[in-house]
Parts: sequence; C-alpha cells; structure tokens
Amino acid sequence: DAKTTQPPSMDCAEGRAANLPCNHSTISGNEYVYWYRQIHSQGPQYIIHGLKNNETNEMASLIITEDRKSSTLILPHATLRDTAVYYCIVGTFFGGATNKLIFGTGTLLAVQP
Amino acid sequence: EPEVTQTPSHQVTQMGQEVILRCVPISNHLYFYWYRQILGQKVEFLVSFYNNEISEKSEIFDDQFSVERPDGSNFTLKIRSTKLEDSAMYFCASSRTSLTEAFFGQGTRLTVV
Repeated sequence: DAKTTQPPSMDCAEGRAANLPCNHSTISGNEYVYWYRQIHSQGPQYIIHGLKNNETNEMASLIITEDRKSSTLILPHATLRDTAVYYCIVGTFFGGATNKLIFGTGTLLAVQP
Repeated sequence: EPEVTQTPSHQVTQMGQEVILRCVPISNHLYFYWYRQILGQKVEFLVSFYNNEISEKSEIFDDQFSVERPDGSNFTLKIRSTKLEDSAMYFCASSRTSLTEAFFGQGTRLTVV
C-alpha cells in the first residue's frame, strides 16, 4: 500500500495558488518524495521530486517539512488545465534496481473558474 | 519534447485471445515499466525492465504476462489468454536512471469481451 496520506479532494479558484498537502510520517532517510498528476485517465505526468530541501521548477514548488514527515505541493497560479488527480509518492530508488512507483488514490484538485 | 508513445490507443479482443501492447520509450532511457489502471481504480505497477531483463514484478504479473524489448526501440507487453478482468488502461513508462522521473505514455485501453 501507498505510504502517504492525501485528502481525497480539494477545490481552488483559477489564478490562485493551489496547496496540496501530503503526510508521509513513516518516510525513511533515503526516500524521496515524488509528485505526479493524472489528467482525466491520461498517463501520469511527473511534476517534481525532492529529498529534504525545498524544490521549484517551472510547474510547481515542493515544500518538505524539516522532519520530512509531510510535504506540500504548490501550484502558484492554478488554471483550469490543472484539474487532475495529484499523487504524492515516496520511495527509494537507489541501487539501479527499479523505479517502481506505488500510486495511492491521490487528491482530486478541481480548479474552479 | 521527447515522449513515450504507445500503440494502439484502444484494443478490443475476445476472451482467451493473446494481445501485444507496444511502446516506444524515450530513446536515451534505460529503465522501462508497465502499469495498469482498471477503470475507477488506482494505477498499479506491473513490471520493470532494465538491462534486458525484468528487474521487478508485481503479484499481478503472473505467467499470463511477458515483456520483451525486441529491438533497440520497442518495448512490448504480451498478455496470453486474456480474461475479462484484464480490461484496463495499460501505461508504459521509461526513465533515464532509477532516480530520475518516469515519463508515461498516453496508454492503451484494452477491452476484453
């Protein structure tokens, strides 16, 4: 089973920041936090990942708490096209063996006009 | 931008028939994966493939399933003797290393009748 807990759904107004929380209280020291999203049954799309430092890319920012037990994905200016299911995934991918992703049920973000 | 391509986009097959789902991963990627998503359910890991062999497989990936990289560009999933419960979206993914993000294709919708 997924090692993360996310709210099942959230709403956000278009143009506002969307803040999606994720709890991963059992995360171990060498596990990364990955965020993916899935728009209407399309293939999952990578958003961002991090280990312990906050990360930012052209899509989003990832804020990881100091104890690493939770994180927040921030979409700074949500648009209608950001309506999707967002998945927070933790995993250890060292050793070259695999990059298996264990998907939970995610958060359905609905961006409202 | 490079992308993972899957064919066909939709396949209908009769129960008991064999199907082959095809994927062209991103050209410089070394890790390849198949996932599936039954309608309304989670995305589930099936198998990972690296260095021309299976590196990890889930309980779902039993003897009915096989994967192959027949040439330098294609990655296939074969399902023998399909069952009604094999109906799902099948996603192929690839990543450059075990630590980098996985890129997913748009999926093949398999319908077994």
